[in-house]
Amino acid sequence: NAGVMQNPRHLVRRRGQEARLRCSPMKGHSHVYWYRQLPEEGLKFMVYLQKENIIDESGMPKERFSAEFPKEGPSILRIQQVVRGDSAAYFCASSPFEQAQYFGPGTRLLVL
Amino acid sequence: KQEVTQIPAALSVPEGENLVLNCSFTDSAIYNLQWFRQDPGKGLTSLLLIQSSQREQTSGRLNASLDKSSGRSTLYIAASQPGDSATYLCAVGNSKLTFGKGITLSVRP
Repeated sequence: NAGVMQNPRHLVRRRGQEARLRCSPMKGHSHVYWYRQLPEEGLKFMVYLQKENIIDESGMPKERFSAEFPKEGPSILRIQQVVRGDSAAYFCASSPFEQAQYFGPGTRLLVL
Repeated sequence: KQEVTQIPAALSVPEGENLVLNCSFTDSAIYNLQWFRQDPGKGLTSLLLIQSSQREQTSGRLNASLDKSSGRSTLYIAASQPGDSATYLCAVGNSKLTFGKGITLSVRP
């Protein structure tokens, strides 16, 4: 059973470009969570999704950030018009229900 | 608002020592408490999950306890090894995990 998969592992963008981060949950897991880890800070919750539904987006910045988990395919975290402050490690986690969360290896975003 | 604190931020011990990592949280109405390990530049590995109705969980050399009334959890590592060197994170919550900043452990050979 493959773990949570995230791609790309590293992403470099220039200011103003768009970043698209993908997450494939573990097989059988229908709950996906996104977290962000800024340099020298702890992990912060961003959004919780189930298939085709956003359940809790209380941690998402109000602008430029969006997330989806379509019926088919991976979950996508999209950051539009990136700024240097968006540079961070973005982690995806999945769970079969509201139980232990299993994390992917993360996508490290660098905004130049 | 839930806050999770892990003190100290860093710890260095000689190989073979038994050690305890502490985690405290402000809101005792938690659902789950989960301990993770993070190696530099890597993702998080789930170590132990304690549900709110449980008091402790064990896996190999690791034992985690939960005291909701005092807002504390401890991760006990027996007979530490250099391979245990990593950052250990405590997180509480249900769907929305609140993390501490972690304790960076270094086990000296």
